[in-house]
Amino acid sequence: KAGVTQTPRYLIKTRGQQVTLSCSPISGHRSVSWYQQTPGQGLQFLFEYFSETQRNKGNFPGRFSGRQFSNSRSEMNVSTLELGDSALYLCASGTTAGSYEQYFGPGTRLTVT
Amino acid sequence: GQQVMQIPQYQHVQEGEDFTTYCNSSTTLSNIQWYKQRPGGHPVFLIQLVKSGEVKKQKRLTFQFGEAKKNSSLHITATQTTDVGTYFCAGVRSGNTGKLIFGQGTTLQVKP
Repeated sequence: KAGVTQTPRYLIKTRGQQVTLSCSPISGHRSVSWYQQTPGQGLQFLFEYFSETQRNKGNFPGRFSGRQFSNSRSEMNVSTLELGDSALYLCASGTTAGSYEQYFGPGTRLTVT
Repeated sequence: GQQVMQIPQYQHVQEGEDFTTYCNSSTTLSNIQWYKQRPGGHPVFLIQLVKSGEVKKQKRLTFQFGEAKKNSSLHITATQTTDVGTYFCAGVRSGNTGKLIFGQGTTLQVKP
């Protein structure tokens, strides 16, 4: 099976812009979670989607949003980018809702200048 | 809120030495998972522990879940250079599904 894919892999944006990141889970996986990874804060949970519904949300401002489509693909959007949003954004898929075993994609490296 | 603390932050060992990283939660966990992230890579799932006092082994790696389900450890016997990377524990608070809380990770360096 193909693994989790994320696009784009690298992105450079300026403050105030918005960005959309895409994630395709492993075939058959219906749960998609998003994480932000930074050297200072480590891996932080953003949100989880299952069957197009957001099931859990982390402690991030409303500028961070996401959605999941009927084919389980997911997108994450960050509006009004700030310098502190520079990070590696990781998507992980799982087989079921609240699936604890997470299969991570390679991530999208976002740099905000 | 729930926190998962992991120590040490860094560990340098000589190849062949043993290595242990510890994970402690402020709340009882329904389960705990361990991941490994190689430099420049993404986290890769290693194992999940669910039962109180559970011990699991994967070749040279031994994982333990505490009796109170608040702590866990990963022990590597006779480290090899291929063990280099950052090891993360991640837990789910009892009664709260789907929200994995990651520890800060322990970065292991192995000198050949």
